[in-house]
Amino acid sequence: GDQVEQSPSALSLHEGTGSALRCNFTTTMRAVQWFQQNSRGSLINLFYLASGTKENGRLKSTFNSKESYSTLHIRDAQLEDSGTYFCAAGISGGSNAKLTFGKGTKLSVKS
Amino acid sequence: DPKIIQKPKYLVAVTGSEKILICEQYLGHNAMYWYRQSAKKPLEFMFSYSYQKLMDNQTASSRFQPQSSKKNHLDLQITALKPDDSATYFCASSQGQGLEVFFGKGTRLTVV
Repeated sequence: GDQVEQSPSALSLHEGTGSALRCNFTTTMRAVQWFQQNSRGSLINLFYLASGTKENGRLKSTFNSKESYSTLHIRDAQLEDSGTYFCAAGISGGSNAKLTFGKGTKLSVKS
Repeated sequence: DPKIIQKPKYLVAVTGSEKILICEQYLGHNAMYWYRQSAKKPLEFMFSYSYQKLMDNQTASSRFQPQSSKKNHLDLQITALKPDDSATYFCASSQGQGLEVFFGKGTRLTVV
């Protein structure tokens, strides 16, 4: 099965509202990254976490390595937040730097 | 200014031909990678290099060959192209293995 299970696969929000995206890991991960892929296909770094919680503007992310999950909270959604959000993680104890990606959450923000 | 430069941005190739995808990073990173994103599969890891040495290869086919002529270069040569190779190929880098990874804007390859 997939090592990184991301949900939901799609999400629609009205401007000003918020929601949470989640990634569950089936194996112990050493760190997680969250990316936004915009309409031009570029991957924008949002967060890198080895543990704990980070916040940046309207975004907040948590990585719980013991319980094997990470979340990305979006509040006060804006139209420019539309895109596909990916989590990606590296396996703990591995000698390589391979990131395993989730399948993504397609976010549509509507006015 | 983009710090990871991939060339070309778009590429159309004929089945059976050979192409080289170019990647240069100006972040001073020691590790570089190639990932692939196709319509059928999520972003998937292909190769990792550290200090110009191959560290990991998750690509089953030998038709894909990375080439590192300089510390900040990691090109990808693809031979005997097939329509199934059509995808966006992303180059990426990090300061060290296991640290935060940054991606280039990708090369969109279409094989006809």
